[in-house]
Amino acid sequence: DQQVKQNSPSLSVQEGRISILNCDYTNSMFDYFLWYKKYPAEGPTFLISISSIKDKNEDGRFTVFLNKSAKHLSLHIVPSQPGDSAVYFCAARRGTTGTASKLTFGTGTRLQVTL
Amino acid sequence: DGGITQSPKYLFRKEGQNVTLSCEQNLNHDAMYWYRQDPGQGLRLIYYSQIVNDFQKGDIAEGYSVSREKKESFPLTVTSAQKNPTAFYLCASSMWTDSYGYTFGSGTRLTVV
Repeated sequence: DQQVKQNSPSLSVQEGRISILNCDYTNSMFDYFLWYKKYPAEGPTFLISISSIKDKNEDGRFTVFLNKSAKHLSLHIVPSQPGDSAVYFCAARRGTTGTASKLTFGTGTRLQVTL
Repeated sequence: DGGITQSPKYLFRKEGQNVTLSCEQNLNHDAMYWYRQDPGQGLRLIYYSQIVNDFQKGDIAEGYSVSREKKESFPLTVTSAQKNPTAFYLCASSMWTDSYGYTFGSGTRLTVV
């Protein structure tokens, strides 16, 4: 049962344009959402996050939008740069007091930013 | 510099042999995790540990074992019972209330021949 889904395995965007990566989830108990970026043969690195009490969080070129009613979040990258080419994972955390933040990951979207 | 170290980066083993992957962190994080990455499957949780001498099974624990004798260390053993051990293995750590989620190691690529 895939609780976090990234339905687009790959995305190609021209440099300077907007990249939009999508993520859907099924578990309404998730209270915190994160995006990670991963280069080949490396571990993922944290990019941006959003709490379920917000609908938008912005950090420089990266903005994450959360639509709780649709159980959908998206990552916008504006403007896209060649260095953004990587695999992006969406992750969700189910809030549980006093326990570790166990994350559930999506399957990833490979972003290719072309010149 | 604080961080999380996985070793080795590449590992080759013959079928039927057990192999142990190392994971060490000096971030003073309480929790540690092991994930496996396969093409098209994302990251799947194998085991996690919230404190020393305690660990819990994740979604795909069969064929794996772990120990947590020290806060800094969380080694993963891939046993001969694991049917498809060839994969990219990622170790991560976090504080309980860390809003940034995990800090990941750089991973170990295990190939079983």
